Amino acid sequence: DAEITQSPRHKITETGRQVTLACHQTWNHNNMFWYRQDLGHGLRLIHYSYGVQDTNKGEVSDGYSVSRSNTEDLPLTLESAASSQTSVYFCASSERRGTDTQYFGPGTRLTVL
Amino acid sequence: QQQVKQSPQSLIVQKGGISIINCAYENTAFDYFPWYQQFPGKGPALLIAIRPDVSEKKEGRFTISFNKSAKQFSLHIMDSQPGDSATYFCAAVIGGYQKVTFGTGTKLQVIP
Repeated sequence: DAEITQSPRHKITETGRQVTLACHQTWNHNNMFWYRQDLGHGLRLIHYSYGVQDTNKGEVSDGYSVSRSNTEDLPLTLESAASSQTSVYFCASSERRGTDTQYFGPGTRLTVL
Repeated sequence: QQQVKQSPQSLIVQKGGISIINCAYENTAFDYFPWYQQFPGKGPALLIAIRPDVSEKKEGRFTISFNKSAKQFSLHIMDSQPGDSATYFCAAVIGGYQKVTFGTGTKLQVIP
């Protein structure tokens, strides 16, 4: 069955380290998204991509970067992890733009000490 | 800025009761309003969605009511069950861009 996976599921790192969270989908969806979920804020968009080589900033993109070299993967990199980036991160994908359903991965819980 | 305001933050309902979650938006460019359901340790999943050209949409025990003039919409869960206990997010989408703006979430607990 097609799916969207994230790894690792849990990560503890130290302030200042570079961290990369993986997202992989097997639906061949064009659109991929990264969100962070924090209590009291819901889900906030970090970066998104509408296709290979396309990346765009969301509302909370500072300190994060993404690259899209193929359809299946959109890794999220924290260049220099900060305690404020402690959060649960969700990747999502959708087939088309417009009102297509977004399918979410299981999430990665990141703790920055 | 919070473009989609959601209330209440938490809700406790007895089994068989009606759960009601409310949302309000500001940007009139939003043209699609989905609700997502999230169980602990899982990613959100689409529950039900509505477009602003209809005032109500019903799917089983779940109903969205939409008031375009007031820029408000709500989720009603009829005959609430313990299995409905989850966090619910309302959202708004500008269709052409497919970017979803989420509300802050409502944690629903249905007690037996």
